[in-house]
Amino acid sequence: QKEVEQDPGPLSVPEGAIVSLNCTYSNSAFQYFMWYRQYSRKGPELLMYTYSSGNKEDGRFTAQVDKSSKYISLFIRDSQPSDSATYLCAMSPKNAGNMLTFGGGTRLMVKP
Amino acid sequence: GAVVSQHPSWVICKSGTSVKIECRSLDFQATTMFWYRQFPKQSLMLMATSNEGSKATYEQGVEKDKFLINHASLTLSTLTVTSAHPEDSSFYICSARGTRRPDTQYFGPGTRLTVL
Repeated sequence: QKEVEQDPGPLSVPEGAIVSLNCTYSNSAFQYFMWYRQYSRKGPELLMYTYSSGNKEDGRFTAQVDKSSKYISLFIRDSQPSDSATYLCAMSPKNAGNMLTFGGGTRLMVKP
Repeated sequence: GAVVSQHPSWVICKSGTSVKIECRSLDFQATTMFWYRQFPKQSLMLMATSNEGSKATYEQGVEKDKFLINHASLTLSTLTVTSAHPEDSSFYICSARGTRRPDTQYFGPGTRLTVL
């Protein structure tokens, strides 16, 4: 079993839909949680960075962390075709120094 | 802030030659830099971690003599693929970690290497 599980998709939604992307994890030591967006043939771009359980909002994006269930989500409101990309969750223990553990990525397609 | 650049963005080389890829943190000092490779439709695979002024730490299965990493300053790390072969063709991405958010990484745009 992988430490971080993420549905690879692809997830296809119409423009304007609310998108829900999820990751589950098994290591209870993970304390920091990140979401990256990666366009084709580009490097990942940091979207959201969260530490505690609960919600964090930034524009159309909301990151949700539930440590008790070892489950994190990224919600995208009013999705746009430009949101079409692969979304990677990543996490690390506190004071890990170096290591991020990535999910496999979910490919999202938003159709106009 | 937290911009990381890579050069070149793509390179084509002949089998047996060496290729150097540069990774720079443009607006922050990177205490640690990471090198990943990514095959099509797959996630990132960590190759090595380097701290400024120290030898790189390689992940299991990554040949240190083939993938030479130098982290000579707090803003520059280089990856040299020596005696490249077609199976080394991949997307190579670097990331950097600074002191502002030490538990996350900022990624460069990647370098696509094609070995003929």
